[in-house]
Amino acid sequence: GAVVSQHPSRVICKSGTSVKIECRSLDFQATTMFWYRQFPKQSLMLMATSNEGSKATYEQGVEKDKFLINHASLTLSTLTVTSAHPEDSSFYICSARDPQGAYNEQFFGPGTRLTVL
Amino acid sequence: DAKTTQPTSMDCAEGRAANLPCNHSTISGNEYVYWYRQIHSQGPQYIIHGLKNNETNEMASLIITEDRKSSTLILPHATLRDTAVYYCIVRGYRNQFYFGTGTSLTVIP
Repeated sequence: GAVVSQHPSRVICKSGTSVKIECRSLDFQATTMFWYRQFPKQSLMLMATSNEGSKATYEQGVEKDKFLINHASLTLSTLTVTSAHPEDSSFYICSARDPQGAYNEQFFGPGTRLTVL
Repeated sequence: DAKTTQPTSMDCAEGRAANLPCNHSTISGNEYVYWYRQIHSQGPQYIIHGLKNNETNEMASLIITEDRKSSTLILPHATLRDTAVYYCIVRGYRNQFYFGTGTSLTVIP
């Protein structure tokens, strides 16, 4: 299957700072990428849909000014957690959809563990 | 919002078939059912998907009821490496996935 990478895999930051997470589709072009958040022992929660060349679509209850999403190319989407607080500590996972693929499945990245001190 | 319900946990003996049920009673006629699994602290892995016909691939089989209100994922010969959380997902109209709680499958030696 197609490969999606995320960078960094782990990040620790101080409260009040901003953190950028990158999501890349390595062997296909993704017009749509998705960002999820997962707290310990919980399921994945969809945060937003990232569309190449246009504004992201955020799910209800997700602050767009706090979680900035940029999808500047067909292989890269970034999530910036602004003014991070300890409650933002979570596992952030991205996925990408291959529009040329036969099955419309999403390919998931390995996740980024964010810890805010 | 998630449109699926699954049992919270299941056990299966190694080498036996694991049958994981999923209820999706509000599914629309053109919505697909996808199955993914997540091993601890990793991204979810695609397993299989279907619309209305039963499907089989090298990993699993998917049985969808005729009324499409439920489905069952079958791992024919479970191994210890199949221990994971299994998610049944109905794909949204914008191709988004809303994950339910999933089933934590433990394969027992």
